[in-house]
Amino acid sequence: GAVVSQHPSRVICKSGTSVKIECRSLDFQATTMFWYRQFPKQSLMLMATSNEGSKATYEQGVEKDKFLINHASLTLSTLTVTSAHPEDSSFYICSARPWGDSYEQYFGPGTRLTVT
Amino acid sequence: LAKTTQPISMDSYEGQEVNITCSHNNIATNDYITWYQQFPSQGPRFIIQGYKTKVTNEVASLFIPADRKSSTLSLPRVSLSDTAVYYCLVGAKGNTPLVFGKGTRLSVIA
Repeated sequence: GAVVSQHPSRVICKSGTSVKIECRSLDFQATTMFWYRQFPKQSLMLMATSNEGSKATYEQGVEKDKFLINHASLTLSTLTVTSAHPEDSSFYICSARPWGDSYEQYFGPGTRLTVT
Repeated sequence: LAKTTQPISMDSYEGQEVNITCSHNNIATNDYITWYQQFPSQGPRFIIQGYKTKVTNEVASLFIPADRKSSTLSLPRVSLSDTAVYYCLVGAKGNTPLVFGKGTRLSVIA
């Protein structure tokens, strides 16, 4: 089956620094990738839709200047949390939809971000 | 985007069949119904997907009535390892993302 990876799986950073999270589709090309955030005991919240070669579309309430998304190729999207603060600590999950006419969406294993 | 409603939690004993029903009254003609399973600190894992009637795979069955306004995920003979959160989602092709509801927290008891 289709596999989506994320790197790193876990990261701890100091307040005010920036952190980059990578999302890769390993065995398929994805024109569209999605980024979600999940707080403890809560559901996944969609942050943004990332399309290869174009600007990401952010959901209402998500600061685009704080959460920078780059989808430079058909297999890689990155999320950079800039000037991270403790309230940004969360579980970040990406997903990818295969190129073409597909209903399927494959999720990565998630990245645990802790800001101290 | 169609909104889904599921029970917040369910308990079951090992070996029993578990049925989780999801309501999606505003489902669109092009929408498919997909169920995911999520364990703590892991990404969601695909379980099953369907459009209408019944779909069965090696882990679950999905029942969808003719009006498609609801669906039922059936897990046969659950085990302790099936303890997880189960999400029902509806969505179409292309760039439309899957929007998660609150999910159903299933607890399997020995």
